Amino acid sequence: EVQLVESGGGLVKPGGSLRLSCAASGFTFTDAWMTWVRQAPGKGLEWVGRIKSRSDGGTTDYAAPMEDRFTISRDDSKTTLYLQMNGLKTEDTAVYYCATEFYSWGFNYWGQGALVTVSS
Amino acid sequence: DIQMTQSPSSLSASVGDRVTITCRASQSIRSNLSWYQQKPGKAPKLLIYAASSLQSGVPSRFSGSGSGTDFTLTIISLRPEDFAIYFCLQSYSPPFTFGPGTKVDIK
Repeated sequence: EVQLVESGGGLVKPGGSLRLSCAASGFTFTDAWMTWVRQAPGKGLEWVGRIKSRSDGGTTDYAAPMEDRFTISRDDSKTTLYLQMNGLKTEDTAVYYCATEFYSWGFNYWGQGALVTVSS
Repeated sequence: DIQMTQSPSSLSASVGDRVTITCRASQSIRSNLSWYQQKPGKAPKLLIYAASSLQSGVPSRFSGSGSGTDFTLTIISLRPEDFAIYFCLQSYSPPFTFGPGTKVDIK
């Protein structure tokens, strides 16, 4: 059974940093392209960015609002995906989901989400 | 960036109704369009991928169609568990973008 479990969410002050983790199991993580999606309270879904598998270059892509502040990485030995968030703003308050990319067709498995609240 | 629009933004329907939601891309995304269902407090769930392929385990009353810029999600014979918010996603070219969502509630 595929499982994605996010952790590391919490309350952080504006300008602060936080690192989210996504522990994966039930599939071959090393082959997976992984993505992060967020959802502000009461709002729609917003793609944050993704990381390709190491065999496909391990490169990353980001949405413009996050490109200079967020970094996606992976540790295949731990089957874990990370989202390092720096310079957090109040508008980054959201539930952050990790998900697996199903080729270029969509995101087929999702974690339960981690809430990040940016507030003074 | 590719912009996605969805219509309607909300609709009220009854159990047994046929529901159609449309999604439009600002440029061609071929068939790189997927549909998701989200219920309150839950993660989105993939329903349709590659515009018209039914994800494993999803009931056959859900179907998708379209290619290029115009896409449709259809639910035939709406069931109580289908009341939710539906989103489309283009995964043709990053940055990937979601539609704003369609809320389906009970009439």
